[in-house]
Amino acid sequence: AQSVTQLDSHVSVSEGTPVLLRCNYSSSYSPSLFWYVQHPNKGLQLLLKYTSAATLVKGINGFEAEFKKSETSFHLTKPSAHMSDAAEYFCVVRTYNQGGKLIFGQGTELSVKP
Amino acid sequence: NAGVTQTPKFQVLKTGQSMTLQCAQDMNHEYMSWYRQDPGMGLRLIHYSVGAGITDQGEVPNGYNVSRSTTEDFPLRLLSAAPSQTSVYFCASSYAGTGDEQFFGPGTRLTVL
Repeated sequence: AQSVTQLDSHVSVSEGTPVLLRCNYSSSYSPSLFWYVQHPNKGLQLLLKYTSAATLVKGINGFEAEFKKSETSFHLTKPSAHMSDAAEYFCVVRTYNQGGKLIFGQGTELSVKP
Repeated sequence: NAGVTQTPKFQVLKTGQSMTLQCAQDMNHEYMSWYRQDPGMGLRLIHYSVGAGITDQGEVPNGYNVSRSTTEDFPLRLLSAAPSQTSVYFCASSYAGTGDEQFFGPGTRLTVL
């Protein structure tokens, strides 16, 4: 079975400092992994995806994530946080069953202090 | 392209009432799905479809029906609303490949009293 675990339910950073949101995955085969962002009372927007090409994936708004098979991790980073980055972030794996359903992590709420 | 659209944005029902949440996409995606989002539980799959005329159950299908008569539309029906169905509902669509991203609609916030 495939699963994702987000290691922090809440992360707080100061504006201009680095962001690290941690995600571990479990999969018996090469996974398709995604990070989505959800701003308050909004829908979900794709930040980036990994589909077995380059292990370092660049996304929108300066975010990137590194796929590390040996550590079964897919952590999301950004060098310098902006106030507009405050949102909830979901690490997601797309399965090979049920038509390719998405399995979501519990979410990490990112707060950015001025 | 409008992407994935959902109506209504908000809805309040009384227990026992029925209603249909609408979802449409204009990207010619084969795969469409419905998720519900509850606090602390991420999103969970209700029903999905891999093409017109084909639907199947997800993780939490009880109390919901779907149909897919066209590629574009994938309505979700609540047969007899219960307070446990108070949630935010998201429709998503994608191409069929497992490496393809799913595009989400803006969501419908449903309250059942």
